[in-house]
Amino acid sequence: DAKTTQPPSMDCAEGRAANLPCNHSTISGNEYVYWYRQIHSQGPQYIIHGLKNNETNEMASLIITEDRKSSTLILPHATLRDTAVYYCIVSPLSYNQGGKLIFGQGTELSVKP
Amino acid sequence: GAVVSQHPSWVICKSGTSVKIECRSLDFQATTMFWYRQFPKQSLMLMATSNEGSKATYEQGVEKDKFLINHASLTLSTLTVTSAHPEDSSFYICSGQSNTEAFFGQGTRLTVV
Repeated sequence: DAKTTQPPSMDCAEGRAANLPCNHSTISGNEYVYWYRQIHSQGPQYIIHGLKNNETNEMASLIITEDRKSSTLILPHATLRDTAVYYCIVSPLSYNQGGKLIFGQGTELSVKP
Repeated sequence: GAVVSQHPSWVICKSGTSVKIECRSLDFQATTMFWYRQFPKQSLMLMATSNEGSKATYEQGVEKDKFLINHASLTLSTLTVTSAHPEDSSFYICSGQSNTEAFFGQGTRLTVV
């Protein structure tokens, strides 16, 4: 079973920031928080991942709470092309440690004009 | 950059026949390959995990004799759906994993008629 809880759907206005929350209260010390997204009928696309510090790349920012029990993915300026299902996953970084990417139901983000 | 190339992108087959799906890792070596299945309006469900040169590990409820996985090299893994039936119609996705990152194929839409 997935170890994360996300709202099933969210709307965001184009050009505004999209903040997608994720609860992972049972996260283990060696588990990272990964975010992927899936646009309809395509394979998942990697967005960002982190352990305990906040992370930023060209796509998004990841804010992880100090207790690591929840996180927020931030798309700073959402566009219509960001409409997708966003998945938050916790897993060890190395699959040699038995890590697998187990997908939950994700959040369906709709960016509206 | 590193990508996973998955073929075919879609296939229609007759009931009772077998279908092979290929995934190739490009610009990286996939020590581990994951195979997922996704039904409409649902999330990705992990079917099996394979490491190069060894037998695949199947998730509970997945028939190993029906879904044959071969991971003979660090750059190629195949999934064969044997004696396909209409209920096997689904979106199949592979993921190649190096030590630190997972890359997803674009998926194969299988329709069994």
